[in-house]
Amino acid sequence: DAGVTQSPTHLIKTRGQQVTLRCSPKSGHDTVSWYQQALGQGPQFIFQYYEEEERQRGNFPDRFSGHQFPNYSSELNVNALLLGDSALYLCASSPGLAGSYEQYFGPGTRLTVT
Amino acid sequence: AQTVTQSQPEMSVQEAETVTLSCTYDTSESDYYLFWYKQPPSRQMILVIRQEAYKQQNATENRFSVNFQKAAKSFSLKISDSQLGDAAMYFCAYRSMYSGGGADGLTFGKGTHLIIQP
Repeated sequence: DAGVTQSPTHLIKTRGQQVTLRCSPKSGHDTVSWYQQALGQGPQFIFQYYEEEERQRGNFPDRFSGHQFPNYSSELNVNALLLGDSALYLCASSPGLAGSYEQYFGPGTRLTVT
Repeated sequence: AQTVTQSQPEMSVQEAETVTLSCTYDTSESDYYLFWYKQPPSRQMILVIRQEAYKQQNATENRFSVNFQKAAKSFSLKISDSQLGDAAMYFCAYRSMYSGGGADGLTFGKGTHLIIQP
């Protein structure tokens, strides 16, 4: 049983460009959350998707957008990249929206903006 | 908004000894969940232990246990018989209970880097 997978592993982009990160949830999970982890910091919640809709959002600008597909996989899009967007982006899946459900994390995508 | 504070950027312990990692949090909610996650150099975040705020009994998972003090808003992690494989970043995290629209994401502290001395 595959866990949460993310692609690509690493990515280098130039300031002002756009990027798309991908996540496949653990089998049986229908809820996907995205987090940004800057170097030396704890992860910060970006948003959460369920039934192909954004359900909750953290304190991130609308340059950060997402999508969830019918197979529950998800994309994170970031437009007009800034140097400060350089971070590890983590995807987590769970079997529902309730806070009691454990979130299973993927290995992350390391984004470097130059 | 909830906040989570980990005041120990780095801790070191001898193999086979016991270490305690500290965590405090701030919230106005009465029902919530607390977690300790481990992030080794491989970057994959792994759940170590969880505590429901409505449970008075402290959670235990093998060598890992917590000291949950709800009134003090304190949630420390004790690792007994430390092993080399325990070396990692440890994050304390908070999550609200389901609120109709869906629970918020996890709120993490800044982490504690745990070093195991052989």
